[in-house]
Amino acid sequence: QVQLVESGGGVVQPGGSLRLSCAASGFSFSSYGMHWVRQAPGKGLEWVAFIRYDGSNKYYADSVKGRFTISRDNSKNTLYLQMNSLRVEDTALYYCAKGSWEVLDYWGQGTLVTVSS
Amino acid sequence: EIVMTQSPATLSVSPGERATLSCRASQSVSSNLAWYQQKPGQAPRLLIYGASTRATGIPARFSGSGSGTEFTLTISSLQSEDFAVYYCQQYNNWPLVFGPGTKVDIK
Repeated sequence: QVQLVESGGGVVQPGGSLRLSCAASGFSFSSYGMHWVRQAPGKGLEWVAFIRYDGSNKYYADSVKGRFTISRDNSKNTLYLQMNSLRVEDTALYYCAKGSWEVLDYWGQGTLVTVSS
Repeated sequence: EIVMTQSPATLSVSPGERATLSCRASQSVSSNLAWYQQKPGQAPRLLIYGASTRATGIPARFSGSGSGTEFTLTISSLQSEDFAVYYCQQYNNWPLVFGPGTKVDIK
């Protein structure tokens, strides 16, 4: 069965950096695009970034463009999100999700990022 | 960027009743529309994609319809496990965009 396990969340000061990881299993990771989606406390879902199966194309939400970088290591079945210049408004639960084209068909349980001084 | 709106924000329904949720896109997204369900403390779950195709394991009481800019998610007879927040999402254009959600609660 598909499993996605996020890690790397924590508390960071504004302007700081954090790298999230998502360990994937139960499917052929190198054959699928992957997404990051976030959810601020008590709020709705916000799509953050997508990377194609081979890393050839990446797309970002305007709110994170230039600050966040999505990447993947297909040899390790792992997805990453490098987050720089963090802002208070980046505080959220970050989910990774498997892409079936641009549909998010399986989700992890999320890792919490808190940006606070 | 395409803007997604959902109505109503909250829908109060009795168990066994029918629920109809609406989603509107600011420009045509063809049939590139998905619906997700999220229960408290849980990750979202894919219900519908392609506007009307149920995802694997989704009960037949969930159905989707629409194309272009107007979409509907119908739950034919609400079960206790269906009380949740429902989000639509367009995937016709980048960036992907979710609607603000409709909360279905018990009347």
